[in-house]
Amino acid sequence: ILNVEQSPQSLHVQEGDSTNFTCSFPSSNFYALHWYRWETAKSPEALFVMTLNGDEKKKGRISATLNTKEGYSYLYIKGSQPEDSATYLCALFYNQGGKLIFGQGTELSVKP
Amino acid sequence: AAGVIQSPRHLIKEKRETATLKCYPIPRHDTVYWYQQGPGQDPQFLISFYEKMQSDKGSIPDRFSAQQFSDYHSELNMSSLELGDSALYFCASSSIADWRADTQYFGPGTRLTVL
Repeated sequence: ILNVEQSPQSLHVQEGDSTNFTCSFPSSNFYALHWYRWETAKSPEALFVMTLNGDEKKKGRISATLNTKEGYSYLYIKGSQPEDSATYLCALFYNQGGKLIFGQGTELSVKP
Repeated sequence: AAGVIQSPRHLIKEKRETATLKCYPIPRHDTVYWYQQGPGQDPQFLISFYEKMQSDKGSIPDRFSAQQFSDYHSELNMSSLELGDSALYFCASSSIADWRADTQYFGPGTRLTVL
């Protein structure tokens, strides 16, 4: 059974704090890792697709890194804002055209 | 930009009834995925279709069936509904031609409540 673990499960920070979450996964047969941002009552929004060991991607204040050899990815948010409050989902892609295997998500709450 | 459309957005059914969920992928996307997310759980993969053929199957109950039509829209048919089927059902679409660089784009979901 392929298992994707995310930590922490929830995170409460003040506006302006920087945060990071972890996604851990079995490193064998890795194809791609996806990060999604999911706000309540909306559909998950794709943030990054990462495929290569050492990949680093950035979108505004959000960035992510990937280590396929040790099986983890970090998502960083610099200077968190209340609008960053959402659940951040990590999902693994193990084969072409296949399914995404999701972690349980990290729920981020940013207080003004 | 056009997104994935799901209908209905909310559905209430009685036990043992039948439900049909519809998904309209982003134009030119040829692959459709269905996911089920129960209360407090991760989204779980149900089934996927590529070019109208089933491409992968997950934890989909035998009471459920799905298909992809010639216009690439997909329908998830759920029969003999049980209380445990109450969940948020997501559909996602992607283009198999560029699956590494592309991603799965999710619809808003259909919230099914079985009473």
